[in-house]
Amino acid sequence: GAGVSQSPSNKVTEKGKDVELRCDPISGHTALYWYRQSLGQGLEFLIYFQGNSAPDKSGLPSDRFSAERTGGSVSTLTIQRTQQEDSAVYLCASSWTRRETQYFGPGTRLLVL
Amino acid sequence: DQQVKQNSPSLSVQEGRISILNCDYTNSMFDYFLWYKKYPAEGPTFLISISSIKDKNEDGRFTVFLNKSAKHLSLHIVPSQPGDSAVYFCAASPLNSGGSNYKLTFGKGTLLTVNP
Repeated sequence: GAGVSQSPSNKVTEKGKDVELRCDPISGHTALYWYRQSLGQGLEFLIYFQGNSAPDKSGLPSDRFSAERTGGSVSTLTIQRTQQEDSAVYLCASSWTRRETQYFGPGTRLLVL
Repeated sequence: DQQVKQNSPSLSVQEGRISILNCDYTNSMFDYFLWYKKYPAEGPTFLISISSIKDKNEDGRFTVFLNKSAKHLSLHIVPSQPGDSAVYFCAASPLNSGGSNYKLTFGKGTLLTVNP
């Protein structure tokens, strides 16, 4: 039984470059979430997708961050013109519907030099 | 402004004893609370939850207690085992009003170490 998978597991990039992080949710889960965990902090909500509804982007920290979910399955989080403060672990989660238990992937550890 | 606070960054307990992890929250709109466990290099794993209509929920060795008046919840692990050593996150989500009841607000976590 496949869980939530994320790629890459680690990403090192230079300041100013764009990065794309991928999330494959559990099959059949309609809700998908992105969180960020900066060093020494709790998980911070970024964005939520539910089926074909408009996503809740209220947690995105700046307009350099965007995400999409194609075909109601795979999601990509894009960070443009990365900054050093973007360094964090980016976690994806999915659930059957909203407010059901969220299952997390292993995360992508992003380091911006 | 932290809405969910875990004031103990770490806790060390002897195997077989009770582990008590604490969590405080400030937002009175929170009505659903969860605990997640996280091992290094893995994503958080759901452990146990509690709705605000209850004051206790038990699942095997894990019990969560909720004190709404004090805006405080705790996770009890009895007996503690070395395999329980992990970071434990407290999380909360708000009432359905406004439609944002899927948003989890997390604390910073408590590192539990259970010594053999």
